[in-house]
Amino acid sequence: NAGVTQTPKFQVLKTGQSMTLQCAQDMNHEYMSWYRQDPGMGLRLIHYSVGAGITDQGEVPNGYNVSRSTTEDFPLRLLSAAPSQTSVYFCASKDTTGSTEAFFGQGTRLTVV
Amino acid sequence: DQQVKQNSPSLSVQEGRISILNCDYTNSMFDYFLWYKKYPAEGPTFLISISSIKDKNEDGRFTVFLNKSAKHLSLHIVPSQPGDSAVYFCAAALGSNYKLTFGKGTLLTVNP
Repeated sequence: NAGVTQTPKFQVLKTGQSMTLQCAQDMNHEYMSWYRQDPGMGLRLIHYSVGAGITDQGEVPNGYNVSRSTTEDFPLRLLSAAPSQTSVYFCASKDTTGSTEAFFGQGTRLTVV
Repeated sequence: DQQVKQNSPSLSVQEGRISILNCDYTNSMFDYFLWYKKYPAEGPTFLISISSIKDKNEDGRFTVFLNKSAKHLSLHIVPSQPGDSAVYFCAAALGSNYKLTFGKGTLLTVNP
């Protein structure tokens, strides 16, 4: 059981480049989300999805796009990378039962130069 | 405006003693609270949670206390072990709303 898998683990981008951070879960969870963690800032919600075909914005959505075509996958796209997007990105998933526990991936460390 | 606050960036305790990590929140609508533990280069892992209808929840060495009137919760670890050394995040949720609001975290160091 792999849980939540994020790829790549590390990435360096030049300003203006685009890329997609991949996230896949094998727990059949309906809820998936993306967070970013910056030093001294905790985790902040970027985008989330409550099921295939449904996405919504979180606290810090600017500069990021998401889509949810399948239950398993929830990719995060950076359209034009900026140095302010240097961060560690975490994907999480959660089922729709009464539990609020979310399962996190191991993270993607992104540096934009 | 930070809705979940962990005012202690770090805490150091001796092995075998109690660790107490604190968390305050401002939104009285939060009704579910969670603690996550994070090791370097890993994702956060769920530790323990509590519903707002309770004031205490225990799981082995970990106990979370909730004081709704003070909008304050705390995580007690007894006894503390060196393997508990990690960053601990407090998080809050609104009902079935999936969105979690996190505090900035507290780095716990347990010294042998």
